[in-house]
Amino acid sequence: GIQVEQSPPDLILQEGANSTLRCNFSDSVNNLQWFHQNPWGQLINLFYIPSGTKQNGRLSATTVATERYSLLYISSSQTTDSGVYFCAPRANAGKSTFGDGTTLTVKP
Amino acid sequence: KAGVTQTPRYLIKTRGQQVTLSCSPISGHRSVSWYQQTPGQGLQFLFEYFSETQRNKGNFPGRFSGRQFSNSRSEMNVSTLELGDSALYLCASSFQGSDTQYFGPGTRLTVL
Repeated sequence: GIQVEQSPPDLILQEGANSTLRCNFSDSVNNLQWFHQNPWGQLINLFYIPSGTKQNGRLSATTVATERYSLLYISSSQTTDSGVYFCAPRANAGKSTFGDGTTLTVKP
Repeated sequence: KAGVTQTPRYLIKTRGQQVTLSCSPISGHRSVSWYQQTPGQGLQFLFEYFSETQRNKGNFPGRFSGRQFSNSRSEMNVSTLELGDSALYLCASSFQGSDTQYFGPGTRLTVL
């Protein structure tokens, strides 16, 4: 199956700082999503991004499928951005493979 | 549209019992996937149902089973519960399985 590696595992930032989270995956995939898991366990969809670049407010993501990686950019971070960020590539329909996540802490 | 709903939200069982969890997908979605999240193993795929048929299956023992009804609602069942089955169980729905997945709030199962 697909192997997913996310880096860094932990990230501590001051409010207002920018950050880049990386996701490497081992095989060809048909699509990829980025999620934010809140403290109550809910996975919030951030991006559906099988390839290319998308932006949504302070967040943007880029996937280079041919090189098997995706990046999530967070600009002007806020304390509410804290939580765990997961990337989840998918080679088979309905079957996402999750990385171990990046735990982000934003300090005021 | 209403989001993905899961019931119950919390459940406490004892070893050896069985449990049934329910997931109602977003209206119009036909694919429902189930995942288990534990501190040690992370988020792992259990199985995916599409139009009442199991289309993909993860590496879990036969004690874990599921089904999907004609209205796309899905249930998963765990028989002969073990302590290690304590986890957050998440379901996700999508229109076809190859598009955006939306997750429910999860069911937190504790096995004593």
